[in-house]
Amino acid sequence: GQNIDQPTEMTATEGAIVQINCTYQTSGFNGLFWYQQHAGEAPTFLSYNVLDGLEEKGRFSSFLSRSKGYSYLLLKELQMKDSASYLCAVAYGGATNKLIFGTGTLLAVQP
Amino acid sequence: DTEVTQTPKHLVMGMTNKKSLKCEQHMGHRAMYWYKQKAKKPPELMFVYSYEKLSINESVPSRFSPECPNSSLLNLHLHALQPEDSALYLCASSQDGDSSNEQFFGPGTRLTVL
Repeated sequence: GQNIDQPTEMTATEGAIVQINCTYQTSGFNGLFWYQQHAGEAPTFLSYNVLDGLEEKGRFSSFLSRSKGYSYLLLKELQMKDSASYLCAVAYGGATNKLIFGTGTLLAVQP
Repeated sequence: DTEVTQTPKHLVMGMTNKKSLKCEQHMGHRAMYWYKQKAKKPPELMFVYSYEKLSINESVPSRFSPECPNSSLLNLHLHALQPEDSALYLCASSQDGDSSNEQFFGPGTRLTVL
């Protein structure tokens, strides 16, 4: 079966750093995505990891350890607009990409 | 144009109605997807079209019928739905079906079945 776990909710302070963890057990693995979704809006792409290590993109970084089935999203210099759900998604399958999403982490940034 | 558009934004239908959801992208993407998202849950994959051919059906009930008339358009035909089908229906597209390609999501159609 496929299983992707994330914490349900997190709270952090404006200007701080927060790390959102994701663990996965899937029947295949072709890479891991992080998406941001504001309430009532579409998910938007944040990052993609397929090799072990850290990918940095501005205030957002994502880390992957394939051997541990583990990823995290690191958000620095938090802003109020970062309050959203953060979805970890594993790509797997054969010729065609399939994404299975984790349960999502609702991040609340407080002043 | 890096946008996926969906119409309508909201739809209310009875269990005997027939309606269609529409999705359009002009990014030249050759893979398109339908997802269903219930409140406070992650999106769940329903269908994948690759090069205008249905490549994945995640055991979706036949009351949902997808159609890909051309490489830019994706429809989802609805018939005899149940109240539990009420959800946000998201369309997405990617360059092709390769796993490394990010998916671009539309804003969704919020469907209510009475």
